[in-house]
Amino acid sequence: GAVVSQHPSWVICKSGTSVKIECRSLDFQATTMFWYRQFPKQSLMLMATSNEGSKATYEQGVEKDKFLINHASLTLSTLTVTSAHPEDSSFYICSARGHSNQPQHFGDGTRLSIL
Amino acid sequence: GNSVTQMEGPVTLSEEAFLTINCTYTATGYPSLFWYVQYPGEGLQLLLKATKADDKGSNKGFEATYRKETTSFHLEKGSVQVSDSAVYFCALSRNTDKLIFGTGTRLQVFP
Repeated sequence: GAVVSQHPSWVICKSGTSVKIECRSLDFQATTMFWYRQFPKQSLMLMATSNEGSKATYEQGVEKDKFLINHASLTLSTLTVTSAHPEDSSFYICSARGHSNQPQHFGDGTRLSIL
Repeated sequence: GNSVTQMEGPVTLSEEAFLTINCTYTATGYPSLFWYVQYPGEGLQLLLKATKADDKGSNKGFEATYRKETTSFHLEKGSVQVSDSAVYFCALSRNTDKLIFGTGTRLQVFP
């Protein structure tokens, strides 16, 4: 089946630093990638949708300058949390989809802890 | 707007018990409906789906039937195992792009 790899799986860093999370589709071309944020014991909230070669579309309330998304190729999207602060600590999950009639395939998530 | 409502958990069962996790939705038109499962420390995995009314999705012993008259998509399994312990998310999609998730239901199965 389709595989999506997310890296790193866990990261701890100091407040004020920037953190980059990678999302790769390993065996298919991901036309669209999605980034979600999940708070403890809560559901996934869509942050943004990115199409290869285009600017990401952010959901209402998500800061574009805070969460930089790049989708430069059909197999890789990155989420950079800039100047991270403790309130950015969360579980970030990406998903990828090929054609529009295909389901999303999820990565295993990245647990981000900002000290 | 579109939304998904799930029963609150945790749901605690003994092994081989019958499982039902309720899910209802609000949406215009005819959304596709999904159940995803999340094991501890992992991302989501698609468990099953249904794309039109009266469709039944099934996988690994789990089933859910798309009921338009009751706007429901309840998840059922006849005999749960300890390995089924996870968080289950009901979700809908109106245009195959955005997935709208419920809040998730934690299932704990004890031997």
